[in-house]
Amino acid sequence: ETGVTQTPRHLVMGMTNKKSLKCEQHLGHNAMYWYKQSAKKPLELMFVYNFKEQTENNSVPSRFSPECPNSSHLFLHLHTLQPEDSALYLCASSQGGGLGEKLFFGSGTQLSVL
Amino acid sequence: RKEVEQDPGPFNVPEGATVAFNCTYSNSASQSFFWYRQDCRKEPKLLMSVYSSGNEDGRFTAQLNRASQYISLLIRDSKLSDSATYLCVVNIRGNYQLIWGAGTKLIIKP
Repeated sequence: ETGVTQTPRHLVMGMTNKKSLKCEQHLGHNAMYWYKQSAKKPLELMFVYNFKEQTENNSVPSRFSPECPNSSHLFLHLHTLQPEDSALYLCASSQGGGLGEKLFFGSGTQLSVL
Repeated sequence: RKEVEQDPGPFNVPEGATVAFNCTYSNSASQSFFWYRQDCRKEPKLLMSVYSSGNEDGRFTAQLNRASQYISLLIRDSKLSDSATYLCVVNIRGNYQLIWGAGTKLIIKP
C-alpha cells in the first residue's frame, strides 16, 4: 500500500457518459497529480495541485475536468470522452512545494471508452 | 528528438546475470534523475534517485554521466522478481514537471 487510493480500478464508459475518478491520499502530502499512461508511451502529466491550487494544466482537453476540494482528495470528472482517451489514469501525491519530489502513485484506473 | 529516451526492450536475461540499461536525456538543464519500477498492470514506484557521484542500493547501481547526458541502471545477480518495466525520470532545473521515459522492459528467465 502506497497510501494513495484510487477508485474505481476499472471503468468502461460510452462517449456520451459522465463519470468521475476519485483519488485520496493518507500521507499528509500537499501536492496531487493526475497522469495519463497509454500503452508503450511515457507518462503524461495532466494536472497538478499544490496546496489545493492548480499549478499545471498541460493543454488537457476540456472533457477532462479536475477538482481538488482539499489537499487529501482529488477528482477527475470525465464527459463526452473519445476512444483515444482509453488509458491508465494514475493519481499521485508528493510532499509539495519542491521540485523533482518523490511521487507516490495510486493503483490507477484502467479506462476504456467505447 | 524525445526529451527522455529509453530502449523499450524487452531485455531477456537469465536469472543470476548482470544487466544494464541506459537512458538519454536531451535537456542540459536537467538537474534531478530517478529510476522508477513499474510491474505489469501496477503503478510506478520509486526505485532510486540518481546522484552525481552515483549511488548503490544492494544489487542496484545508478550512474549519471552529465557530459554525455545519460543515466544508467545496473542490476547484479538478477532475480525473477526483478522482471518489470524500468522508467527513467528527469526533472528540469526550475521546472515543476518530471519528464518520463517510456520505459525499458526487463524479463528475467529461470
